[in-house]
Amino acid sequence: AQKVTQAQTEISVVEKEDVTLDCVYETRDTTYYLFWYKQPPSGELVFLIRRNSFDEQNEISGRYSWNFQKSTSSFNFTITASQVVDSAVYFCALSENAGGTSYGKLTFGQGTILTVHP
Amino acid sequence: EAQVTQNPRYLITVTGKKLTVTCSQNMNHEYMSWYRQDPGLGLRQIYYSMNVEVTDKGDVPEGYKVSRKEKRNFPLILESPSPNQTSLYFCASSFRLATVNEQFFGPGTRLTVL
Repeated sequence: AQKVTQAQTEISVVEKEDVTLDCVYETRDTTYYLFWYKQPPSGELVFLIRRNSFDEQNEISGRYSWNFQKSTSSFNFTITASQVVDSAVYFCALSENAGGTSYGKLTFGQGTILTVHP
Repeated sequence: EAQVTQNPRYLITVTGKKLTVTCSQNMNHEYMSWYRQDPGLGLRQIYYSMNVEVTDKGDVPEGYKVSRKEKRNFPLILESPSPNQTSLYFCASSFRLATVNEQFFGPGTRLTVL
């Protein structure tokens, strides 16, 4: 069965610090998809990134970057020069085929609460 | 405006009283899904639908039913709610090719079962 572990329940940093959110996954599939979502204090869920298992290139989007390493089954998320507006709950998620015909089943991690203090 | 809507946003009910939470999207998305969010457990998928009349179980389907008779709607039905179904519920939709793409989430429905 697929599993996603976000071992950091809560992280607290001061503005301008860099912070990395860890995500470790388990899957039996060779083809799968990984996601990160953000849930700010207002409660909505916002998509950040999708990565497929064949694309191990790291990605950078502004202050956000993602490090995908199949060898360690990790898909970590780094925020550079954090800001107060980055305070949110961040979820990592995995979608796999698991012998079926679709990738509709998603498993989310427990989430990491990030608090950025001014 | 492209969006996923859920109704009601807040609901307090009693054990055993059947209820339906509606979900509708206006983006012509094939994929729709229901999740519940509980403290310390993150988001857990209840059911998902790859297209009209195609539904499948997620990780926590017990006590819930869904239907997908039209592309835009994906209601969540609790036939006999119990207190352990008190949770925050999210509906989501996605344009799907062969895989799930970016999901658009509804605003959430906070359900309390007494």
